[in-house]
Parts: sequence; structure tokens; C-alpha cells
Amino acid sequence: QVQLVESGGGVVQPGRSLRLSCEASRFAFSSYGMHWVRQAPGKGLEWVAVISYDGRNKEYGDSVKGRFTISRDNFKNTMYLQMDSLRVEDTGVYYCAKDSGRWLQLIHRWGQGTLVTVSS
Amino acid sequence: DIVMTQSPDSLAVSLGERATINCKSSQSVLSSSNNNNYVAWFQQKPRQPPKLLIYWAAVRESGVPDRFSGSGSGTDFTLTISSLQAEDVAVYYCQQYYGIPWTFGQGTRVEIK
Repeated sequence: QVQLVESGGGVVQPGRSLRLSCEASRFAFSSYGMHWVRQAPGKGLEWVAVISYDGRNKEYGDSVKGRFTISRDNFKNTMYLQMDSLRVEDTGVYYCAKDSGRWLQLIHRWGQGTLVTVSS
Repeated sequence: DIVMTQSPDSLAVSLGERATINCKSSQSVLSSSNNNNYVAWFQQKPRQPPKLLIYWAAVRESGVPDRFSGSGSGTDFTLTISSLQAEDVAVYYCQQYYGIPWTFGQGTRVEIK
């Protein structure tokens, strides 16, 4: 059973930075692409970013491009999301999700999420 | 960006009755190279992460009850729950994985009448 555990969420002021982590287990992490998807309070889902199995390819959603950076450490079975220049509208639950393949196949499994609150 | 528009925003259906959710994409998500429609459906129950139900517009994920079915092609897609059960109360999202950025519909809330 795939396990994805997000951490690093919390309350941060606008303009500051935060780094999220997603620790993966019970599957061959280095063989799969990984995603971040977020959900503002009471709202729908927004795809944030994707990284390929080997970390060489990355893509971002329009609203975070240039501010967020996705990365991974296959030795630690962990993916990261570095979030800089945070805005109030970045508030929400951030889900880590596993792709069904190495790169841009399908969002297959989700973690439980970590809450990020951007507020002064 | 490809915009996914769901209808209705919410619906109430009696137990055992059919629920139908529609999803329209702003451009075709049908690939001419493999003849697949790049649409997935997710179910999100309260205080839970989303769960994959359907991919390639019509392929049921392993373990998903067969009362859930997906159909459609090109720009118009449908998720059908053939006989609504109490545990199906949730918000349902369509999503396209044809073009970057991947995008979701706004969600459809399904309740018991």
C-alpha cells in the first residue's frame, strides 16, 4: 500500500518562504513521477507542479511559476516543494501525489495533505 | 490552458437512483496518436484526500465499484453512478492530463435526497 506523508506546513507571513516535504514508502519511489496539488479552504483542486522520476524534468502551474521549486532526493525517498514569495492566495492544503509512471502519466495515489496558511 | 467545466455544481439523488455528472473541456483531450481521452475522475469525501475512480475517461481503477462508470470523448465526458449508495456522498472532480498545466473541473457535490 503506497504511503505518502507530507510535512512542513504551518503559518507564514506573506512574502516569506516555506519548504514542504513528502516522504514516500512502500513503493519504488525512484521509478515514479511525483506531483503537488493544492486545495484552498472550501475550494477545488489545483495542480501545482510535477517532477519526473529522475528529477530532470519539472513543470509548474501558472500561479506558482517562478516562485515555487519542486525537487526530490531518491536516496531519501522524499520530494520537496520550496515555496518562496508566498501570497495569501497560496493558503490551502498541499497534497503530495504519486504518478502512475515515470513522467506525466496520471495522478494515481494521494497523501493526506499538509496545511499552509499565509497570513499577516 | 485547458478549462474543465463541470455541471451541475451540486445534485441530490435518492438512494439507489442514478447520478450523472458532466464535464466539458475547452479543447479536445483526445490523442490522435493513441486514441485515448486524457480525462480522469476523482472522488473526495469530507476530510479526505481525493481518490482516483476513472482514467482514460472510461477505465475503472482497480477496486472501484462497478456502479461507477465513465464515458465520453473529445470534449464531453460523463461520470455515472448507476445506483447511489450512502458512501458515495462526496465531491467529484474531472481532470485533464492532456496538456500542461493539468487542470481540474470545479467539482460537483453529490448528496442524498
